[in-house]
Amino acid sequence: GESVGLHLPTLSVQEGDNSIINCAYSNSASDYFIWYKQESGKGPQFIIDIRSNMDKRQGQRVTVLLNKTVKHLSLQIAATQPGDSAVYFCAENSNTGNQFYFGTGTSLTVIP
Amino acid sequence: DGGITQSPKYLFRKEGQNVTLSCEQNLNHDAMYWYRQDPGQGLRLIYYSQIVNDFQKGDIAEGYSVSREKKESFPLTVTSAQKNPTAFYLCASRTRDDATNEKLFFGSGTQLSVL
Repeated sequence: GESVGLHLPTLSVQEGDNSIINCAYSNSASDYFIWYKQESGKGPQFIIDIRSNMDKRQGQRVTVLLNKTVKHLSLQIAATQPGDSAVYFCAENSNTGNQFYFGTGTSLTVIP
Repeated sequence: DGGITQSPKYLFRKEGQNVTLSCEQNLNHDAMYWYRQDPGQGLRLIYYSQIVNDFQKGDIAEGYSVSREKKESFPLTVTSAQKNPTAFYLCASRTRDDATNEKLFFGSGTQLSVL
């Protein structure tokens, strides 16, 4: 089956620095990827998504990079703020399936 | 405001008891999902529904049951057969189940604990 995993379970950054959260996926048929942010006791919130026909997509302070060659996804957060502290999940979906597969998450802590 | 509403926020179950978690959406989405989240683990799919009066088992359906009588509602029952029900339960929806590149929208979750 598919697997989506994260390289680092925890990440601490200084306020104002940039953060990079990584994700590996194993299903080469996956063609749609999403990053979610989850604060404690709340549901995941959509951050940004990317399709497999792209290798980079930018949002407000966030950038997602997709490297299909090595099946790797990353989320970059610019000028990290205390409000960015949360668990970040990547999720993947293939056009042959109707399920999303989620990684275990990376806990980001921003140090003021 | 459009969105997904889960209730209650916290729920306690006694041994041998069935409990039902509510999920309502006003996004006009066809597809709805239930996920279970345990500490330090990713989301695992319990059940999903592509259309009214139809649903399929996910990866961990044992001990759970669902119904989809209305498009807006997808309640999850945690039965007494589920021996380890303590977890955070998340309901989600999206436009269509077979829609590629369509993101999931999540509710705020229900924390279920065993007394």
